[in-house]
Amino acid sequence: EIVLTQSPGTLSLSPGERATLSCRASQSVSTYIAWFQQKPDQAPRLLIYDASYRATGIPARFSGSGSGTDFTLTISSLEPEDSAVYYCQQRSNWVTFGQGTRLEIK
Amino acid sequence: QVQLVQSGADVKKTGASVTVSCKGSGYPFSDYYIWWLRQAPGQRLEWMGWINPKTGGTNYAGSFAGRVTMTRDTSINTAYMELTSVTSDDTAIYYCARGTPWFDPWGQGTLVSVST
Repeated sequence: EIVLTQSPGTLSLSPGERATLSCRASQSVSTYIAWFQQKPDQAPRLLIYDASYRATGIPARFSGSGSGTDFTLTISSLEPEDSAVYYCQQRSNWVTFGQGTRLEIK
Repeated sequence: QVQLVQSGADVKKTGASVTVSCKGSGYPFSDYYIWWLRQAPGQRLEWMGWINPKTGGTNYAGSFAGRVTMTRDTSINTAYMELTSVTSDDTAIYYCARGTPWFDPWGQGTLVSVST
C-alpha cells in the first residue's frame, strides 16, 4: 500500500499570506495525485488533479506541483474561506489518502 | 449541476446491516463509476469499492470483501452500498463519489452510527 504523508499537521497563517502544503508518497505515484479541501460538516471537494490541474471552478490562487514522490499544494494569497483540512490522494496503486493538513486563517 | 444526494443518517445495532443510497443527477449516470468511501473518527479517508453503473460490475477493497455489496438501479440513477455485520468500528461518515476517474463530486455524506 502506498502511504501518503502530509506536512505540516497544522498551519496557521494570515489572510494574504502564501500557504505551502506538502504530500510525500512512500513510492513513486508519477502524477496520479489529487488534492481535496474539506470544511466542517462538508464533503471533500476536488481542487487539483493529476498533480497540477485545477478542477472546474477552483480559483487560480490554488496550484499544485510535483511528480514521483513529492507534491505541493500552494495557495498564493489566503482568503478567510480557505480555512479547512486539505487532503492529498493517489490513484497510482489502488487509492490512498494522506492524513490531512489543517489550515487555520488567523 | 452535477450532484450526488445520499440517504439520511442511520443508527444500527452491532451485527446488523446498513444500506446507503446515492442518487446522481445532472449527468449521464451510467457513464461514470460510483465509488464508495468512508471517513471514520480519527482515521484516514478509506475507499470501500466501486460500481460501474453501466454493467453492474464491482470491485471491493480487500478489507471489506465479504461484507459489502454495491448495486445500482439505472432507472432511477441510484447506487446502493450495503454493509453487513457492522460493529462499532464501522461508525463513520459514508460517501459516494463520481469517478472521473478522480472523485468529483462527492455526495453530502451519510453518518452511520453503530451501537451495542
